[in-house]
Amino acid sequence: EVQLVESGGGLVKPGESLRLSCAASGFTFSNYGMNWVRQAPGKGLEWVSFISYSRRYIYYADSVKGRFTISRDNAKSSLFLQMNSLRAEDTAVYYCARDPSKGNPNPNWFDPWGQGILVTVSS
Amino acid sequence: SYELTQPLSVSVSPGQTASITCSGEKLGDKFASWYQQKPGQSPVLVIYQDTKRPSGIPERFSGSNSGNTATLTISGTQAMDEADYYCQAWDSSTVVFGGGTKLTVL
Repeated sequence: EVQLVESGGGLVKPGESLRLSCAASGFTFSNYGMNWVRQAPGKGLEWVSFISYSRRYIYYADSVKGRFTISRDNAKSSLFLQMNSLRAEDTAVYYCARDPSKGNPNPNWFDPWGQGILVTVSS
Repeated sequence: SYELTQPLSVSVSPGQTASITCSGEKLGDKFASWYQQKPGQSPVLVIYQDTKRPSGIPERFSGSNSGNTATLTISGTQAMDEADYYCQAWDSSTVVFGGGTKLTVL
């Protein structure tokens, strides 16, 4: 069974940092691009970042560019999101999601999604 | 920046057909995907590459995409289909989601 499990969320103050992790299982992680998508409380979905299977292609939403860094460890089937200079508007549930289009350098669609992890930025 | 526009809400009677639209400039030139999200749950892919259904998604879910509009159609809508639905596309190194449509089955 394909499974994605996020961890590392919590409550932080504005300006602080946090690192999210996503542990993947049930598929060959190194063959697939991966994404982070977030959802603020009561709001819609917002894509955050994509990393291709080879790490060669990385994209960010304008709202996080320069503050967030996506990375992956294919040997450990893990995806990461380093979030620096956090703001109140970064408060959201963060999902990791696989791009099922195997070997594609760009994000296409997302399946499956993890259960999500809450990040709260508040003083 | 690229934008996708969805109606805030759509209502449908059980057994009838629900259509949810997603509008964006030349959306028909891109691939559209659709996600279903029920309260307290993670999104689930229901349509990808405009018209394709992932395994496990009922046949009553179908999609189309032409011109500036992609459409998710649910035939024979059931109470369990009540959820938020989001369209999504990829444009110029950015993934874009529509604002979401709340489907009410009443």
